[in-house]
Amino acid sequence: SYVLTQPPSVSVAPGQTARITCGGNNIGSKSVHWYQQKPGQAPVLVVYDDSDRPSGIPERFSGSNSGNTATLTISRVEAGDEADYYCQVWDSSSDHPGVFGTGTKVTVL
Amino acid sequence: EVQLVESGGGLVQPGRSLRLSCAASGFTFDDYAMHWVRQAPGKGLEWVSGISWNSGSIGYADSVKGRFTISRDNAKNSLYLQMNSLRAEDTALYYCAKGSSGTWAPFDYWGQGTLVTVSS
Repeated sequence: SYVLTQPPSVSVAPGQTARITCGGNNIGSKSVHWYQQKPGQAPVLVVYDDSDRPSGIPERFSGSNSGNTATLTISRVEAGDEADYYCQVWDSSSDHPGVFGTGTKVTVL
Repeated sequence: EVQLVESGGGLVQPGRSLRLSCAASGFTFDDYAMHWVRQAPGKGLEWVSGISWNSGSIGYADSVKGRFTISRDNAKNSLYLQMNSLRAEDTALYYCAKGSSGTWAPFDYWGQGTLVTVSS
């Protein structure tokens, strides 16, 4: 089955840039979606189709995808960005296509 | 306003069954695929199952295939998950999630979840 690997944690100072990677075999050929989950809350879609933002999501959130790595970038990090972040793809080669990454805890110092 | 409200969770013994429901409102339910995603305590997200708008396309995670059945009733704007032969490892918060477009699309709205605890 398809596996997505994320770093367990990323720490960043306020105002700096956080980059969260999502590694998968030839992930560049898939559409990657990113979710933010704050403690005790349901996940929220922050980036879809590699680099698009849903309405209401700040421009500080951006994404890219190439080769074996997709990246979620959070610019000008704020305290409110502290959360768990998950990447997700659909593995169309299988009959159980939903795959989430292992998740990354972003800590704002 | 899109709302997804899950119900049906609770404490159940291993080997028993449980049926989860998700009541949807605020959008045209039968235009969108729907999904169940779960999260074990302190763990990450796991996609469980998804169903297309007309029930013509259905998928399951390996971990639940043969034990769980997803279904929907478009007339009632409702999504269901029948869970049989429950195991301790099925203990999790179960979220109902709406697909944004197409069967295999990102999840643009989520419910608050219903907790399933499998224990003797």
